[in-house]
Amino acid sequence: RKEVEQDPGPFNVPEGATVAFNCTYSNSASQSFFWYRQDCRKEPKLLMSVYSSGNEDGRFTAQLNRASQYISLLIRDSKLSDSATYLCVVPSNRDDKIIFGKGTRLHILP
Amino acid sequence: NAGVTQTPKFQVLKTGQSMTLQCAQDMNHNSMYWYRQDPGMGLRLIYYSASEGTTDKGEVPNGYNVSRLNKREFSLRLESAAPSQTSVYFCASSEVTGGINEKLFFGSGTQLSVL
Repeated sequence: RKEVEQDPGPFNVPEGATVAFNCTYSNSASQSFFWYRQDCRKEPKLLMSVYSSGNEDGRFTAQLNRASQYISLLIRDSKLSDSATYLCVVPSNRDDKIIFGKGTRLHILP
Repeated sequence: NAGVTQTPKFQVLKTGQSMTLQCAQDMNHNSMYWYRQDPGMGLRLIYYSASEGTTDKGEVPNGYNVSRLNKREFSLRLESAAPSQTSVYFCASSEVTGGINEKLFFGSGTQLSVL
């Protein structure tokens, strides 16, 4: 299993719909997890942090399933401005290495 | 507060030329990272430094060297550039609190083309 795996998409979703992505990770000892958003190959920007079971911020919900080793990102009432690439990040707490998933591309359709 | 400053923003090299990408952070972070991103790919870790004076290989270290000059600065050097190193390069830093990595702060990236 790769260290961090994501479905690359693209996900083409109509505006207003709900969309969810998953990210699986291999290091069972990881304790912090992050979702980043990246636009047009600009620098990634932090969207959400997940340290325990989950986190919610407005339309965005991130959940952690330690037993199955995946985190998910749910976007409700999607907006055109949500179109971006969403990157899953799982730091290794063994050696400070921080590995990114390949990202999931999301296109919100008007 | 500048955060992570990365230079240059753009660079064109000929095959075989050398160059150094500079990165500095003013947040007193211990950990710093260099990533590259190719079209359609996520960020791949080249090298990282968990603290001043230490560096470690990431996923794709071949063809690169790094220097952690002090706590603020972490440079990436291409000794003999190859077309396969054409990419966007990102520098980042983070803090480790209680053994847990906090979020990454990124520089704005360097678009490098090797002809």
